Amino acid sequence: GDSVTQMEGPVTLSEEAFLTINCTYTATGYPSLFWYVQYPGEGLQLLLKATKADDKGSNKGFEATYRKETTSFHLEKGSVQVSDSAVYFCALRGSARQLTFGSGTQLTVLP
Amino acid sequence: DTGVSQDPRHKITKRGQNVTFRCDPISEHNRLYWYRQTLGQGPEFLTYFQNEAQLEKSRLLSDRFSAERPKGSFSTLEIQRTEQGDSAMYLCASSFQSGQVETQYFGPGTRLLVL
Repeated sequence: GDSVTQMEGPVTLSEEAFLTINCTYTATGYPSLFWYVQYPGEGLQLLLKATKADDKGSNKGFEATYRKETTSFHLEKGSVQVSDSAVYFCALRGSARQLTFGSGTQLTVLP
Repeated sequence: DTGVSQDPRHKITKRGQNVTFRCDPISEHNRLYWYRQTLGQGPEFLTYFQNEAQLEKSRLLSDRFSAERPKGSFSTLEIQRTEQGDSAMYLCASSFQSGQVETQYFGPGTRLLVL
């Protein structure tokens, strides 16, 4: 079945540091890939998405590229801010309608 | 567009009691999903509706769990004879498929604590 493996956290960075959160997936066919973010006390928000190989999703300075050859969708940001502190979830939507999520990565950015 | 809303936001109950949660999707979204999220984990799919039809329910955790969407608008998730292991965050999401892309929008969740 479909599965998503995320880099384990927690991750702690200083402000303006470079961020990478690794995500790899297993799925049949050609899934759509997503990153969701959960800020403290809030619900899941869609951060970015990509629907086919080599697509790059981007939003709020975050980027992720759909790499079919390595079955990966790593999240990156060049310069993190304190306000980026949150839990980040990688997810896929395969042949089934529902999303399959990774276990989440807690990011803390220190001033 | 006020987003997906869920009620209540928090529920504390005693083991053996029944609980019901409500989800109001974004208006005109025809698909509605229920997920469960336990501490330190990603959301886990439970069931989904397209309009009023429940198209997938095999992932409901046991026969104590049931969901309805009677008029294709709001949905309810009921847990009968709650157990301590049911303590979790219950999330609702809605979507409207446009072309190839379907994006699910999540509500704030209902946090359940079973004592």
